[in-house]
Amino acid sequence: QKEVEQNSGPLSVPEGAIASLNCTYSDRGSQSFFWYRQYSGKSPELIMSIYSNGDKEDGRFTAQLNKASQYVSLLIRDSQPSDSATYLCAINAGNNRKLIWGLGTSLAVNP
Amino acid sequence: NAGVMQNPRHLVRRRGQEARLRCSPVKGHSHVYWYRQLPEEGLKFMVYLQKENIIDESGMPKERFSAEFPKEGPSILRIQQVVRGDSAAYFCASSPEIYTDTQYFGPGTRLTVL
Repeated sequence: QKEVEQNSGPLSVPEGAIASLNCTYSDRGSQSFFWYRQYSGKSPELIMSIYSNGDKEDGRFTAQLNKASQYVSLLIRDSQPSDSATYLCAINAGNNRKLIWGLGTSLAVNP
Repeated sequence: NAGVMQNPRHLVRRRGQEARLRCSPVKGHSHVYWYRQLPEEGLKFMVYLQKENIIDESGMPKERFSAEFPKEGPSILRIQQVVRGDSAAYFCASSPEIYTDTQYFGPGTRLTVL
C-alpha cells in the first residue's frame, strides 16, 4: 500500500517566522512530488512541484526533496497570516498520473 | 485561459435522488480526475479518466457511482440514489496531454443530501 504521511498539526508559527512542513512516503520508486495549499472551503491550488533531490525555490517557498530518506518538505519564509491554510503533499509513485495524497497539515500564522 | 470549471457549485438532493456533477477541464487537457472530500477530512481519489476511457476507478464505490468523459462535452460524475453519507465536496482536476502529472483543480461541487 503506497502511503503519504503528514503531521496533521495544527502547526502554529508567528508572523515573519519560517514554517516547516514535512511529508514522508513509503514507495521508493516515487518520481514526482507536489505541494498544494487548500484554504477552508476552497479547492487545492498548486504551490510547487519537485522531481530531483535537493532544493527548489519559488519566492517565499522552498521545496526540499530527499529520496534516500523518503521525505519532502516545504519551507515558507516570512510567514504571513494569509499563509494560514492546510498544506497537502501529493506524490506520483506509479506509471500513470494518479497521485497519492497525504491528509494535510494545518498551518496557522499568528499576527 | 479558463481553468477547470465545475457545475453546479452547490447541489441539494433528497435521499434517493440522482446527482450529476459536471467538470469541464482546462482547454486542451484530456485527463480528468475526480476526488471526494468529507468535512475536515483529506482528499480521496475516486476515478481517473482520459477521453472516452476510464484509466483507474479504484477509488469509486462499487455501487451507485459512475463517471464518464465523452469525446465531446464535460466529464460527468453520476451518483444514483444518493444517501446522506454522500454529502461532501467533489473536486475535479485536469492535466494536459503532454506528459505531466501536475493536476489543476476546479472550484468543486458541494453536494448536500437531505
